[in-house]
Amino acid sequence: AQTVTQSQPEMSVQEAETVTLSCTYDTSESDYYLFWYKQPPSRQMILVIRQEAYKQQNATENRFSVNFQKAAKSFSLKISDSQLGDAAMYFCAYGGYNQGGKLIFGQGTELSVKP
Amino acid sequence: KAGVTQTPRYLIKTRGQQVTLSCSPISGHRSVSWYQQTPGQGLQFLFEYFSETQRNKGNFPGRFSGRQFSNSRSEMNVSTLELGDSALYLCASSSHLAGGRNEQFFGPGTRLTVL
Repeated sequence: AQTVTQSQPEMSVQEAETVTLSCTYDTSESDYYLFWYKQPPSRQMILVIRQEAYKQQNATENRFSVNFQKAAKSFSLKISDSQLGDAAMYFCAYGGYNQGGKLIFGQGTELSVKP
Repeated sequence: KAGVTQTPRYLIKTRGQQVTLSCSPISGHRSVSWYQQTPGQGLQFLFEYFSETQRNKGNFPGRFSGRQFSNSRSEMNVSTLELGDSALYLCASSSHLAGGRNEQFFGPGTRLTVL
């Protein structure tokens, strides 16, 4: 069975600084997708970034980028130039290529941004 | 396009009752997944429906069931409610393409409280 682990329950960053959230996963599948979702206090889950396992190039979306290490089964999220609006719970999620709409989530990392 | 909608947003029930939650996916999306979110267990996959058929199922008791209609709208039902069923229930939709590569778009959730 696949598992996703986020070892940092809480993180804090100063506004305009950079922060990295960690995620490791375990799977025996070769084709899969990894996602970072953001859940602000409103509880609305918002997709931040996605990575296809077959792509070696790390995904980037504006201030958000990932460091995907397939052999190490590591998928960290880097947030550059942190903004107050980045404060939220961040979830790492795994989706198997043939698993349809099933995502396996980590326990989440609560990110606070200090002005 | 309108986003994923869930009704009702809040529910209060008592133990032993049953409840039905509704989810309307993004127009054109044929896959609907349901998740339960609790402080203790985090985000857990309940089941996924695609073209009116259950395609994936998580490890939940048979009291949790669902269905999907021809217009892709989905309902989930919980019978004989227990205190531990108190949670935020999230619905997500994705396009009809096969595999986990699809992005899941989440609704705002239904907050269920069981007294």
